[in-house]
Amino acid sequence: QVQLQESGPGLVKPSETLSLTCTVSGGSVKNYYWNWIRQPPGKGLEWIGYISDTGTNYNPSLKSRVSISIDTSNHHFSLRLNSVTAADTAIYYCARESCSSSSCSPWYFDLWGRGTLVSVSS
Amino acid sequence: QSALTQPRSVSGSPGQSVTISCTGTNSDVGRYNFVSWYQQYPNKAPKLMIYDVNKRSSGVPDRFSGSKSGDTASLTISGLQADDEAVYYCCSYAGSFTFVVFGGGTRLTVL
Repeated sequence: QVQLQESGPGLVKPSETLSLTCTVSGGSVKNYYWNWIRQPPGKGLEWIGYISDTGTNYNPSLKSRVSISIDTSNHHFSLRLNSVTAADTAIYYCARESCSSSSCSPWYFDLWGRGTLVSVSS
Repeated sequence: QSALTQPRSVSGSPGQSVTISCTGTNSDVGRYNFVSWYQQYPNKAPKLMIYDVNKRSSGVPDRFSGSKSGDTASLTISGLQADDEAVYYCCSYAGSFTFVVFGGGTRLTVL
């Protein structure tokens, strides 16, 4: 059974770079769309971006600050968000596109990590 | 402010039905039949419940149903049960540039 696990610092200073890794266990990272989604405490969900075999796509509101990369050899993908402020404080989830036995749909997310809280504070 | 508009809260008694609305625009909900709904319990990751407007994910009871009219999608939960109490988020594909947008979430209280 495929599982996702986020990891990284829980505290980042303002203006620095937030870096998180999502480790995929029990399956391949190839041929899927892998996403980062965040949720400020007590608030709604925000899609950050995805990486796939064909490239990356980012939320236009974050595009200038975000980068997602993938390491297929080590079964993980990563998020970097630079120049962070308190507004970037959130639970960060990694998620995979939804797949059935016959097809996948990149705009649905049916496999999620447990999430990791990242606070931006000095 | 979220791109899709949902009521902040709804409530119903066990056995009753509730409907949660999700209003977007002709650039997202109104243009594409790629609307989904997620259920989230406190301190848990969201769970995909409905996709393609009205299809249930595997294992989701048929008490959950989705629909869409124009720029507004809806999630209806019939025969309310205590463990339906959660926050529900709608989501819509919005084209290759924006990709997906979420609603702000609706807290369902089972009285």
